[in-house]
Amino acid sequence: DIQLTQSPSFLSASVGDRVTITCRASQGISSYLAWYQQKPGKAPKLLIYAASTLQSGVPSRFSGSGSGTEFTLTISSLQPEDFATYYCQQLNSYPFTFGPGTKVDIK
Amino acid sequence: QVQLQESGPGLVKPSQTLSLTCTVSGGSISSGGYYWSWIRQHPGKGLEWIGYIYYSGSTYYNPSLKSRVTISVDTSKNQFSLKLSSVTAADTAVYYCARVKYSSSVPDYWGQGTLVTVSS
Repeated sequence: DIQLTQSPSFLSASVGDRVTITCRASQGISSYLAWYQQKPGKAPKLLIYAASTLQSGVPSRFSGSGSGTEFTLTISSLQPEDFATYYCQQLNSYPFTFGPGTKVDIK
Repeated sequence: QVQLQESGPGLVKPSQTLSLTCTVSGGSISSGGYYWSWIRQHPGKGLEWIGYIYYSGSTYYNPSLKSRVTISVDTSKNQFSLKLSSVTAADTAVYYCARVKYSSSVPDYWGQGTLVTVSS
């Protein structure tokens, strides 16, 4: 199975901050990577797929980049509703696997 | 707007079979273009892909669960189901059903999730 790691695992930030989360794959996955946001007690919400394609309805402050084994999710200006846990997922090969998550908390 | 809703027992005894159903509204399972998937999340932990089914009945299961998992579809009811046999406490999790875009393999719509606890 392809293993995904995320860094940092926890991030404390303020409203307005620029935030970057990194996802690394144990082997190359081209651009087959998605990002999700999850709030407590809720299902994950798709933010980005194909590494950099913004899902319809997702604010443009979210962006994704990368290919191969290293990917980033950037929030250009953190908003109060963005405090959540973020997961990456590889869709290059079965079984599709998720990263362990990055929790973004209020500083 | 597509909506998915999981239903089923919230408590299952060890060694028994966990059974959940996902009812889809706002769209037809038979329309094609999507896989219908189950994903679980252990309490306070990350996400695990269980498997998916196409409306035609073709399936994919995570090899780590393959010997115990069956996913089926009932197009007449616009539902798909999960059965997980021989459960243990390690199967305690929130179970989500999700619609997966065929073209990108990403789950774009999710149910709210249902907690299943395995305990005697």
